[in-house]
Amino acid sequence: NAGVMQNPRHLVRRRGQEARLRCSPMKGHSHVYWYRQLPEEGLKFMVYLQKENIIDESGMPKERFSAEFPKEGPSILRIQQVVRGDSAAYFCASSPANYGYTFGSGTRLTVV
Amino acid sequence: EDKVVQSPLSLVVHEGDTVTLNCSYEVTNFRSLLWYKQEKKAPTFLFMLTSSGIEKKSGRLSSILDKKELFSILNITATQTGDSAIYLCAVDGSGNTGKLIFGQGTTLQVKP
Repeated sequence: NAGVMQNPRHLVRRRGQEARLRCSPMKGHSHVYWYRQLPEEGLKFMVYLQKENIIDESGMPKERFSAEFPKEGPSILRIQQVVRGDSAAYFCASSPANYGYTFGSGTRLTVV
Repeated sequence: EDKVVQSPLSLVVHEGDTVTLNCSYEVTNFRSLLWYKQEKKAPTFLFMLTSSGIEKKSGRLSSILDKKELFSILNITATQTGDSAIYLCAVDGSGNTGKLIFGQGTTLQVKP
């Protein structure tokens, strides 16, 4: 079992570009969570998805951010028109139910 | 607003010392409290606590929850340099979605 796989590990984007972060959950896990960690801060919840459904997106900024977890393939966190303030580590976690989850190693996004 | 506060924010000790990390919380629908260790990668799970007064132990680490006073402590005895990390406290206060609220983290540095 390869664990929760996130890619890329590091992503550099210029202001105004789009960033796509991928998360492949552990085998058998149908619940995916995305968290953002800003420098010197704890993790902040962004969105909770099950296959093809967004369950809770209360932590997602209203604009430029979107997430999906299609029936086939990884979960995608998409950030359009990135700004410097989007620079952070983005962690994905997966679980077989709505508790007890495993984190991936994160994607470090740098906006230049 | 639900919140989790950790203290101290940072701590420097020498090998062999014992440390106590604190986590206090205010959430509406408490389900569990979790401790994670974060080095330069994914947060790794340490403990999940749901009941007051029952100590959980894993080697030199132990943790306990007080649901009346709304706090938890994480103890590390006979610290080693490999214990150097950020320790994250998180509370599942979602009721049923599994969304976690994280504290800011305590950065522990263990010197030889």
